[in-house]
Amino acid sequence: EIVLTQSPATVSLSPGETATLSCRASQSVRSYLAWYQQKLGQAPRLLIYDVSRRATGIPDRFSGSGSGTDFTLTISSLEPEDFAVYYCQQRSDWWTFGQGTKVEIK
Amino acid sequence: QVQLQQSGPRLVKPSQTLSLTCAISGDTVSSNTAAWNWIRQSPSRGLEWLGRTYYRSKWYNDYALFVKSRVVINPDKSKNQFSLQLNSVTPEDTAVYYCARADMSGAYGDYFDYWGQGIMVTVSS
Repeated sequence: EIVLTQSPATVSLSPGETATLSCRASQSVRSYLAWYQQKLGQAPRLLIYDVSRRATGIPDRFSGSGSGTDFTLTISSLEPEDFAVYYCQQRSDWWTFGQGTKVEIK
Repeated sequence: QVQLQQSGPRLVKPSQTLSLTCAISGDTVSSNTAAWNWIRQSPSRGLEWLGRTYYRSKWYNDYALFVKSRVVINPDKSKNQFSLQLNSVTPEDTAVYYCARADMSGAYGDYFDYWGQGIMVTVSS
């Protein structure tokens, strides 16, 4: 099973700042990595797929990068609605998720 | 617009069977491009993919190894829905259960683009 490790567990930022979230895979997932956003009481929402492709309707302040085992989600100029938990997920070998990074308001 | 509506009991006794249903609108369970998944989320185990059902001239199922001996996912064409049965549950199976679609030939490939609302299922006597 491919294990995804996200860091940090929590990041405290102010609106307008940039969030940089990391996801490391226990083995290469090639380019089969996605990011989801989850707000309290809601299902996860697909943000980014195949490392850097934005899903329909996702603002361009969300961007993804990386390859192989190391990936990054960058949220530029945080908006109030961006404070949530973010999960990475791989589909290279079945499906597994990271444990999440909470972006909270400082 | 695809919508997934989940239903089922919120409380299940240990050793019994957890049964949930996911009703589909805006797509069909027998789609030749979609796969219909169950995923659960708990504080201790995080998000876990449980399994899927899909139709490609015939029905297929895939299950996560850690639940393979206890899980069954069935499609129901007549009601355009699919179900999850998890047998011999223990308190470790307490979680929010989600159904989700992956459109394998769509824009997002094998990622989960539509999700149900989630149901919190507690395993307790």
